[in-house]
Amino acid sequence: DAGVIQSPRHEVTEMGQEVTLRCKPISGHDYLFWYRQTMMRGLELLIYFNNNVPIDDSGMPEDRFSAKMPNASFSTLKIQPSEPRDSAVYFCASSLNRDGETQYFGPGTRLLVL
Amino acid sequence: KNQVEQSPQSLIILEGKNCTLQCNYTVSPFSNLRWYKQDTGRGPVSLTIMTFSENTKSNGRYTATLDADTKQSSLHITASQLSDSASYICVVSTLSSGGSYIPTFGRGTSLIVHP
Repeated sequence: DAGVIQSPRHEVTEMGQEVTLRCKPISGHDYLFWYRQTMMRGLELLIYFNNNVPIDDSGMPEDRFSAKMPNASFSTLKIQPSEPRDSAVYFCASSLNRDGETQYFGPGTRLLVL
Repeated sequence: KNQVEQSPQSLIILEGKNCTLQCNYTVSPFSNLRWYKQDTGRGPVSLTIMTFSENTKSNGRYTATLDADTKQSSLHITASQLSDSASYICVVSTLSSGGSYIPTFGRGTSLIVHP
């Protein structure tokens, strides 16, 4: 298996633009997680899905952020409109189980909003 | 408030030496504790996962311990190698009343191994 795949790996955009980050989890994994990592706040859980259904989105910073999982092999995290403070590395991770299993992280998308 | 504190913030050691990283937490109720290794520019990689009933778990040269009474964990690295240079993140999870998974992340310890 190729592991968790994220695209793009790098994204530079201007404030106010829409940004869409993509993730393909490991085949067969029931859980998908979106994280954000910054120097100031470290790693933060934004939202996670179980069998394509959003379970907890309490970590989503505000309404500008939305996430979808239309099928078991694809998820998107969208920011609209983007702001400079959204600049961070966004990780997607997947696991077989919610809590007791290892989470496998993708390589991340490094987002810079100018 | 649930918190995870890691120490030291950064550490420099010579290749071949051992080191121990600390993680103290106030997360309650406790579900599990994970240690991750994150190389620069990459996603975190899981090293160990421990539940309440486990007090030690090894993964090669990495050994994690857990004292649920004092709410402390440590990650011991034996015979360090240059490839151990990375950030090590402690994550403590709890389950909400609704069954939702809630992780609390430490800020990480940055380890540099010098030849």
